[in-house]
Amino acid sequence: GESVGLHLPTLSVQEGDNSIINCAYSNSASDYFIWYKQESGKGPQFIIDIRSNMDKRQGQRVTVLLNKTVKHLSLQIAATQPGDSAVYFCAENSGQNFVFGPGTRLSVLP
Amino acid sequence: NAGVMQNPRHLVRRRGQEARLRCSPMKGHSHVYWYRQLPEEGLKFMVYLQKENIIDESGMPKERFSAEFPKEGPSILRIQQVVRGDSAAYFCASSPSGQRNYGYTFGSGTRLTVV
Repeated sequence: GESVGLHLPTLSVQEGDNSIINCAYSNSASDYFIWYKQESGKGPQFIIDIRSNMDKRQGQRVTVLLNKTVKHLSLQIAATQPGDSAVYFCAENSGQNFVFGPGTRLSVLP
Repeated sequence: NAGVMQNPRHLVRRRGQEARLRCSPMKGHSHVYWYRQLPEEGLKFMVYLQKENIIDESGMPKERFSAEFPKEGPSILRIQQVVRGDSAAYFCASSPSGQRNYGYTFGSGTRLTVV
């Protein structure tokens, strides 16, 4: 069946460094992807999305890269800040709902 | 715009009781999705509803769980005869369209604890 997974369950980075969070997806029919950020005790918050007709999209301090050949998605956070500490989920959509990966916990070290 | 409102934030039920979780979508959103999240895990899709219609309930357990989204009022996720394994965070999301190129807006969730 469909599945979305992450290579790294936890990631620790120094404040000010760049962070890269990876995601693998298995459904080649997926054509829309979103990264969500979830802080402790809160619901997932939309960060950035990308459609399958693109391979890169940039936002404020964040960049999403999509490699359809190997079915890989990544989220890059520039100049990581303490407020970026959270769990990050990738989600793919090929039908009527999103399939979420298990998440990567990002810890920002002072 | 108050966003997606879920209540209660925390709910404690004894085994065998019923749990009712409420979700009011964002203003102008007519599509509601329920997800369940176990500790340290990702979100698992449960059900997708529009007003008065269940569109996709493929992620919903066949027994004890039901969902509705009436013409008036919030969407309700009902769990009958709760068991300890139902303890989880339940998130509701809404979107303005069922088209899959729209992201969801999530509520803050209801954390159900079954004792």
